[in-house]
Amino acid sequence: AQSVTQPDIHITVSEGASLELRCNYSYGATPYLFWYVQSPGQGLQLLLKYFSGDTLVQGIKGFEAEFKRSQSSFNLRKPSVHWSDAAEYFCAVGEVQGGSYIPTFGRGTSLIVHP
Amino acid sequence: GAVVSQHPSWVICKSGTSVKIECRSLDFQATTMFWYRQFPKQSLMLMATSNEGSKATYEQGVEKDKFLINHASLTLSTLTVTSAHPEDSSFYICSARDSMSYNEQFFGPGTRLTVL
Repeated sequence: AQSVTQPDIHITVSEGASLELRCNYSYGATPYLFWYVQSPGQGLQLLLKYFSGDTLVQGIKGFEAEFKRSQSSFNLRKPSVHWSDAAEYFCAVGEVQGGSYIPTFGRGTSLIVHP
Repeated sequence: GAVVSQHPSWVICKSGTSVKIECRSLDFQATTMFWYRQFPKQSLMLMATSNEGSKATYEQGVEKDKFLINHASLTLSTLTVTSAHPEDSSFYICSARDSMSYNEQFFGPGTRLTVL
């Protein structure tokens, strides 16, 4: 069965600093990988996804993620964090079923941004 | 982008009552919708997969008689929490899969249920 590990429960950074959120996955085949962001009391917004091809994926809001098969990782990065980036971030791996996928989510990483 | 709405966004009810939550895809047709439950500071747990015109598929450990799901049209799925109890209090999130785009799900804003 697929699984996702986000080892950091909380990450605190200063505004303007760089950010990296870690994600490791376990899946038998080539995974579909996703990063979502959730603001307090809100649903999930897709930041970026990896299905195949270029292992460095660009997303919205200046985020990017790199798929590293050898490390089973899909870490999310942003070169300069803004205060509005404070939120909960979820990594997910999608199990392919009938041409589509069902995501399994990690437990999430809470990003705190100091002014 | 595709938009999914949920109604209500927040509901408070007495123990023993039933609560219905609606999930709508506003600008696309969704043959499949998903219902998730999220506890505070925790991840989303898939409860069930809802297919238009057929019975929902429930994940292990989810009581199908407790959480009734109906997907009567390509744009609407409902989750009814029957005889709600305080332990059912949670954040319920739906997602819808665009029939024209099998690779992406779009999430609703969630419904916060508080059972007194």
